[in-house]
Amino acid sequence: EDKVVQSPLSLVVHEGDTVTLNCSYEVTNFRSLLWYKQEKKAPTFLFMLTSSGIEKKSGRLSSILDKKELFSILNITATQTGDSAVYLCAVDSNYQLIWGAGTKLIIKP
Amino acid sequence: DTGVSQDPRHKITKRGQNVTFRCDPISEHNRLYWYRQTLGQGPEFLTYFQNEAQLEKSRLLSDRFSAERPKGSFSTLEIQRTEQGDSAMYLCASSSGLRTLHFGNGTRLTVT
Repeated sequence: EDKVVQSPLSLVVHEGDTVTLNCSYEVTNFRSLLWYKQEKKAPTFLFMLTSSGIEKKSGRLSSILDKKELFSILNITATQTGDSAVYLCAVDSNYQLIWGAGTKLIIKP
Repeated sequence: DTGVSQDPRHKITKRGQNVTFRCDPISEHNRLYWYRQTLGQGPEFLTYFQNEAQLEKSRLLSDRFSAERPKGSFSTLEIQRTEQGDSAMYLCASSSGLRTLHFGNGTRLTVT
């Protein structure tokens, strides 16, 4: 059965800290891995990763995929209170997205 | 705003009633997805359309659930004889086939 597991489930850090969120997966037909940020409403897209070892970067956020070890990490540097959200990882397998349960990140001022 | 829009934002209904939600995707997107999300979980796939064809349905979609996309544009999701376990956020998303989903803000269903 396809599954996506995120860790930790929740994380509390202070503003300015760097965090690393993990996503591991086991799927039958991997096509891509996506990261989303979810605040109060719907998820908003962050990154799509298809190739191993190529870092995607957007401002203070970056992500990388390891297709051999079947995981991805999302890094956030110099965290701000506005980064507080649930970060969701999803894997595209056979044109369906298999979602992790998310990591709830809380940034304390 | 040309994003994905969902209506209503919040629906409160009594157990046993029928409810219908609407989703208007981004106009040039040919794929439309319905998801259900409960607290502390990622979105659960319900069903997916390419144009007007419903190509995939999850086992979660019992016979009380039906979705349509009659003209390949907007979609409706109907739940008949609602149960308390149906209480959740129902998310609609669309894409142009690049697997980068654009989500609506969801319809929160509360079944009392």
